[in-house]
Amino acid sequence: EEQLVESGGGLVQPRGSLRLSCAASGFPFSHYWMSWVRQAPGKGLEWVANIIPDGSYTDYVDSVKGRFTISRDNAKNSLYLQMNSLRAEDTAMYYCAREVHYAFEIWGQGTMVTVSS
Amino acid sequence: QSVLTQPPSVSAAPGQKVTISCSGSSSNIENNYVSWYQQFPGTAPKLLIYENSKRPSGIPDRFSGSKSGTSATLGITGLQTGDEADYYCGSWDGKVFGGGTKLTVL
Repeated sequence: EEQLVESGGGLVQPRGSLRLSCAASGFPFSHYWMSWVRQAPGKGLEWVANIIPDGSYTDYVDSVKGRFTISRDNAKNSLYLQMNSLRAEDTAMYYCAREVHYAFEIWGQGTMVTVSS
Repeated sequence: QSVLTQPPSVSAAPGQKVTISCSGSSSNIENNYVSWYQQFPGTAPKLLIYENSKRPSGIPDRFSGSKSGTSATLGITGLQTGDEADYYCGSWDGKVFGGGTKLTVL
């Protein structure tokens, strides 16, 4: 079964840091573009960042540029999101997702990040 | 404020058909593929439609997608109570989404 499982969320103070992980299984992870998508409580979806299969190119939504870093370890079938200088507005459920056919084909169950003092 | 515009809610009776609109611009929908996602409370989104009108394996043909100009539409026929969920459109360029539409099956 093709599966994505996120971890690493939690409560963090403003200006703090957190590293999210996403473990992939059931498919050749190294072949796929991958993204992080977030959803603030009661709000809609927002794409955050993505990375190409070999990790040499990344892209970010403007609001996280310079603060978040997406990376991957194909040997470990894992995707990461390093989040620094966190703000209250970063509070959200964070999903990792596989990109295929110009869409987010498979989603993990999400990991919640709460930024609060 | 979402880049793509969806109605906040739609409703219809079981067995009926409903459409959900998604309005954008030449910067997104008109020149890019549209996708649609279904999300039940407390769960992750699920891909329903990709490349404007294609259905992933396992998605019933009660769900359909179309695009014209700067707008896209999701159609659901033979409504079931189990279709009650939030539905989101997405446009690939910039990877933007609509604000979501809550479907109520009366």
